[in-house]
Parts: sequence; C-alpha cells; structure tokens
Amino acid sequence: KAGVTQTPRYLIKTRGQQVTLSCSPISGHRSVSWYQQTPGQGLQFLFEYFSETQRNKGNFPGRFSGRQFSNSRSEMNVSTLELGDSALYLCASSLGQVGDTQYFGPGTRLTVL
Amino acid sequence: DQQVKQNSPSLSVQEGRISILNCDYTNSMFDYFLWYKKYPAEGPTFLISISSIKDKNEDGRFTVFLNKSAKHLSLHIVPSQPGDSAVYFCAASGTSGSARQLTFGSGTQLTVLP
Repeated sequence: KAGVTQTPRYLIKTRGQQVTLSCSPISGHRSVSWYQQTPGQGLQFLFEYFSETQRNKGNFPGRFSGRQFSNSRSEMNVSTLELGDSALYLCASSLGQVGDTQYFGPGTRLTVL
Repeated sequence: DQQVKQNSPSLSVQEGRISILNCDYTNSMFDYFLWYKKYPAEGPTFLISISSIKDKNEDGRFTVFLNKSAKHLSLHIVPSQPGDSAVYFCAASGTSGSARQLTFGSGTQLTVLP
C-alpha cells in the first residue's frame, strides 16, 4: 500500500499571503489529522477530519482551516501568514477509530519570509 | 502545561547495547500510547504502541513498558544499531472526546555509536 503523501514538500511564502497544503491518506483510511512541528512548540495537533467533517480541533487561531473531500484527501489552509507559521506541517491518516494508529506523511516545510 | 514529557533531550549508546527511552504523562485520561521515530525533514515513523490494559508490548528489537500507577512508559531497543539514531517521540491519546488527537512529548535524540 502506498503511504501518506503530502504536496508540496517545500513552500516559501511572504507575510500576509495564504497557503494551501494537500494530503492524500493511505487507501482505506477515512481519518486525516494535521499537526504542526516547530522547534519551540514541538508537535502540536491542529485538527482532524473524518468523512468530510471536522471531528476534533486543536488550539490554533481561525486562520488555520481545513477540509476533507469524499475520497478522504484533505487540504489545510493558512490565511494571512505570519512569520511564526514557519514550520513543518504533517498530516497523518488512520482508519478513524479510537486506538487506531496514525501514520504520518513526509510533511510540508513552510517558510514564511 | 506539558501533558507528555520526555525529560532527556538526548541519549548516546554503544552499538549492541540496550537503549532505554523514557516518557512521563500527567493526564490520567490517556490510555493509548505510541512511540514514533523521526529523521530530520521527514514525517514520524510509527514504531510500537501499547494500550492501558497491558503493561508490555514487544515487536522485534523494540519493547514498550507501561507503568500506569507511575504514569510512565519506556521504550527499550535491544540490541541498538547505528541506524536507530534518530529522534524518538512518545505520544498519547485518550478514549473519549479528543481521543484521536495525539499529544506528543518533546522528543529524545538517540545516537548509537559504532
């Protein structure tokens, strides 16, 4: 089975712009979660989508949003980018039940200048 | 407030010896624990997990131990190999509400010396 894929792998944006990141889960997985990794805050949960619905949300401002399509692919959008949004954005997929293992993609490295 | 803590930022071990990585948690609602291995600029790779109904789970060279009363888990790697050098994260999730949300520790850089 193919693993979780994320596009693009690297992205450079300037402050105030917006960005959209994409994630394709493992075939058969219906849950997609997004995480942000920064040197200062570590790995932090952003949100989780299951069957096109946001099921859980972390403690991030409303500038961070996402959606999921009927084929379980997910996109994450960050509007009005700030310097502090520079991070590695990771998505993880799972079957979606409690206790299911989450498998991560390679991440998208976002740099905000 | 860090709910999952890895107090050792780094650990060095000789090849062939045992590596022991530790993790403590404070939230008693956590009942599923995982270890991930991560290389720079890559996503975390799942290693092994354990649910709170067990105190040990083994998979090849990797064994995870859970001490619920102490809210402590550890990952043992035996024997350690140079390819095991990476950052190891422990993660936890609960059973209700945000159960599918993983809370991560800050990671431990393991270096296995040849």
